[in-house]
Amino acid sequence: NAGVTQTPKFRVLKTGQSMTLLCAQDMNHEYMYWYRQDPGMGLRLIHYSVGEGTTAKGEVPDGYNVSRLKKQNFLLGLESAAPSQTSVYFCASRPTGQFGFNYGYTFGSGTRLTVV
Amino acid sequence: EDQVTQSPEALRLQEGESSSLNCSYTVSGLRGLFWYRQDPGKGPEFLFTLYSAGEEKEKERLKATLTKKESFLHITAPKPEDSATYLCAVTEYGNKLVFGAGTILRVKS
Repeated sequence: NAGVTQTPKFRVLKTGQSMTLLCAQDMNHEYMYWYRQDPGMGLRLIHYSVGEGTTAKGEVPDGYNVSRLKKQNFLLGLESAAPSQTSVYFCASRPTGQFGFNYGYTFGSGTRLTVV
Repeated sequence: EDQVTQSPEALRLQEGESSSLNCSYTVSGLRGLFWYRQDPGKGPEFLFTLYSAGEEKEKERLKATLTKKESFLHITAPKPEDSATYLCAVTEYGNKLVFGAGTILRVKS
């Protein structure tokens, strides 16, 4: 089925460890996003990309890096994990233009990350 | 800074008991207001996009309306399967969404 796929679905890290979260979409969307969701705070934008080879900072970018080497993939990296990065991470994508607004953003099912 | 506030934080309804969820926003130039539904352990699922004050959209038991400062999601005769968290988000320039914290809806049979 077409959509946004996130891997892994669950992960436990020790403080200071690094990891990469992978987001893949097969809808040929230009725009891709990484959000984190914490209880009572809603979804907050970490980084986003408006096309292959581009990235930009969102609301809470500190401690994260991203790369968009291929149009269909958007990687989120944690270089040195901290307990404050315990969260559920969601990737989303949308096409450009009005079509992207009319049908909203497509979200993945999330990665639940715990840093101990 | 764009802000989105949703109320109430949680709402419990009996099956068939209609109600409304509120989303108030502050944004310089609204390009779109979005409503999403989120089930536990899943990603948000798109419901509606509203673009200008006075606009309304419907889907089954849900109806979304928009004014210059807020949006309402009206739920008519809800069923237990309508239980979920409902998220509101706005975009000003179109590149990114700013979300509210959501309203947790529980419908009891």
